[in-house]
Amino acid sequence: KAGVTQTPRYLIKTRGQQVTLSCSPISGHRSVSWYQQTPGQGLQFLFEYFSETQRNKGNFPGRFSGRQFSNSRSEMNVSTLELGDSALYLCASAGAENTEAFFGQGTRLTVV
Amino acid sequence: GESVGLHLPTLSVQEGDNSIINCAYSNSASDYFIWYKQESGKGPQFIIDIRSNMDKRQGQRVTVLLNKTVKHLSLQIAATQPGDSAVYFCAENMYSGGGADGLTFGKGTHLIIQP
Repeated sequence: KAGVTQTPRYLIKTRGQQVTLSCSPISGHRSVSWYQQTPGQGLQFLFEYFSETQRNKGNFPGRFSGRQFSNSRSEMNVSTLELGDSALYLCASAGAENTEAFFGQGTRLTVV
Repeated sequence: GESVGLHLPTLSVQEGDNSIINCAYSNSASDYFIWYKQESGKGPQFIIDIRSNMDKRQGQRVTVLLNKTVKHLSLQIAATQPGDSAVYFCAENMYSGGGADGLTFGKGTHLIIQP
């Protein structure tokens, strides 16, 4: 059974640009959560999707958005990139029972 | 805001010894707690979880203890091995009692195994 797949693994963008990151959950999992990891702030919750609906959202500005498709794949978008958006972006998927969650390897975003 | 924290940023133990990693949480409404292990270049890996109606749960070589009175969580690793070297995070979940929805993570403890 394949794990959580995040693409791309690495990304370099310029300030002011936008970026879209992709997450394919484990087959059968309907919940996808996104996290930002930085050395200073640690792991912080961005948002969670279940059956194409955003159920919960963390404390991030509106520049951070996401969506989930009918096949449970999810994307997150960051618009008007800032240097401080440089981070490892992780997604995690969980099954319908919403118990143990599995994380992907993350997308390392560098904003220059 | 409320957050989950760890007492030590780094913990060094001898191979074969038992390791204890501690975590203090502040939100008494949290219902579900999880320990994750993160190796360099990888995403967090689930180790063990515990719900607020329990005070102890055991897995393979790991035990999680929950003390709701003092809002304290600990992870015990028996017979520590080189492969246990990683950063360990505790996390609490207020929303759904499971999954990764709305987890609040601690800062992490880097476990170093001495040969």
